[in-house]
Amino acid sequence: QSALTQPASVSGSPGQSITISCTGTSGDVGGLSYVSWYQQHPGKAPKLIIYDVSTRPSGVSIRFSGSKSGNTASLTISGLQAEDEADYYCSSYTSSTILDYVFGTGTKVSVL
Amino acid sequence: EVQLVQSGAEVKKAGESLKISCKGSGYIFANYWIGWVRQMPGKGLEWMGTIFPFDSDTKYRPSFEGQVTISADKSISTAYLQWSSLKVSDTATYYCARIHCSSTSCYLDNWGQGTLVTVSP
Repeated sequence: QSALTQPASVSGSPGQSITISCTGTSGDVGGLSYVSWYQQHPGKAPKLIIYDVSTRPSGVSIRFSGSKSGNTASLTISGLQAEDEADYYCSSYTSSTILDYVFGTGTKVSVL
Repeated sequence: EVQLVQSGAEVKKAGESLKISCKGSGYIFANYWIGWVRQMPGKGLEWMGTIFPFDSDTKYRPSFEGQVTISADKSISTAYLQWSSLKVSDTATYYCARIHCSSTSCYLDNWGQGTLVTVSP
């Protein structure tokens, strides 16, 4: 199972909105609601920010939102802030009975 | 509060063995799958495999099968990742993560702080 495809980098100015895409196949991203997103600051562990395509865990800012169309999922960060500068990874899997996860290639978000 | 606490950084030589740990607290450890994720220096996240501590059912990504062993001891709420003979290419940070399954999907809701493994020639 190949990695999901993400842009290497996305940048924006404070207050702007940016969108990160995550492209897979009908066997992973395109399948039901298996997409999740993780934020990773330098030297830190990843943190779950979106699951079930568009659900935010408790405590995650409403500025983070997720969506999916066909085989492409998207993460939008609105009202970009300096603290949002981090790496972002999407993830999916083919079957809940196998739990064979695949991560995206990762996107570096820079706040200009 | 759910917590996964991993063992400390390791510096090893190629050919040596190693076992790192991930101790869970704040929830019923045996009832949740634990996954292991590799992150090589400056690279992205790679899924290695997972274990269900209740019965030690284990699943490996094919590229890691035979290269590492995932195990768990539910009596002490701890999962392990081990190597019998390290390679220089095993140099990476390794994360454990709890897999939470809702009615619609499964996701990695809590992560350990990571264990840096450095292997020299």
